[in-house]
Amino acid sequence: DVKVTQSSRYLVKRTGEKVFLECVQDMDHENMFWYRQDPGLGLRLIYFSYDVKMKEKGDIPEGYSVSREKKERFSLILESASTNQTSMYLCASGTRDPYGELFFGEGSRLTVL
Amino acid sequence: DAKTTQPNSMESNEEEPVHLPCNHSTISGTDYIHWYRQLPSQGPEYVIHGLTSNVNNRMASLAIAEDRKSSTLILHRATLRDAAVYYCILPTGNQFYFGTGTSLTVIP
Repeated sequence: DVKVTQSSRYLVKRTGEKVFLECVQDMDHENMFWYRQDPGLGLRLIYFSYDVKMKEKGDIPEGYSVSREKKERFSLILESASTNQTSMYLCASGTRDPYGELFFGEGSRLTVL
Repeated sequence: DAKTTQPNSMESNEEEPVHLPCNHSTISGTDYIHWYRQLPSQGPEYVIHGLTSNVNNRMASLAIAEDRKSSTLILHRATLRDAAVYYCILPTGNQFYFGTGTSLTVIP
C-alpha cells in the first residue's frame, strides 16, 4: 500500500519557536508538495520539490522554508512560528507524470500559541 | 489563479446518483481535468481524471462536455461514506491548485 507519512498529527508550539514538519513517502516519487488548509480558503500550495535539493515556491511561501536532502523526505520549516501559521498542513507526493495522481498524508494540525 | 468554479455545497439522498458540476471555461487543449475528494479528518485522495472522453472507474464517472468548458463527476449511488469535499482541478505542469471544492452531504 502506498504511503505518505507525516511525522505528527497534532503539534502545539509557542510563538517564536522553530517548527519542523516531516514528510516521508515510500513510492520513490520525484515530486513532493506542502500545502496548508484553512477554513474557507481551501488548500494553498506553500512549496514543492521536483528532485533532491530542488525547491520551488508555491503561492504562500512567506514564513516557511523547506529541505529535501533525500528523495523520500521533504521537510517544512517554520523558522519562527507565528499565530497566523496555526493551520492544517498537508504533504503530498507524485511522479514526474504531470497528469499523474497525487498521494496525500493525513495532515499535521499545528497550533501556535 | 482559480481556473475552476464549483458550487460550495450540495446534498444528496443515500443510494441516489449525485452529479457534481465544475466549470472551467478557460481550459486549454492540453489541460487534463482531475477530481479529488477529502473525507473528514483525512488528506485528499484521487478520484478520477480525463482529457476529452468520458471516463469510468470503480469510484465514479467523469462526463466531459464536448467543448471541455465544463465537466461533471458522477457518483452512481451515493453512500454515507461519500460525504466529503470534492475538488475539480486543472493541473498546470506539476502543480495542483486546489480551491475550496464542493462539500457533499449525504442524507440517510
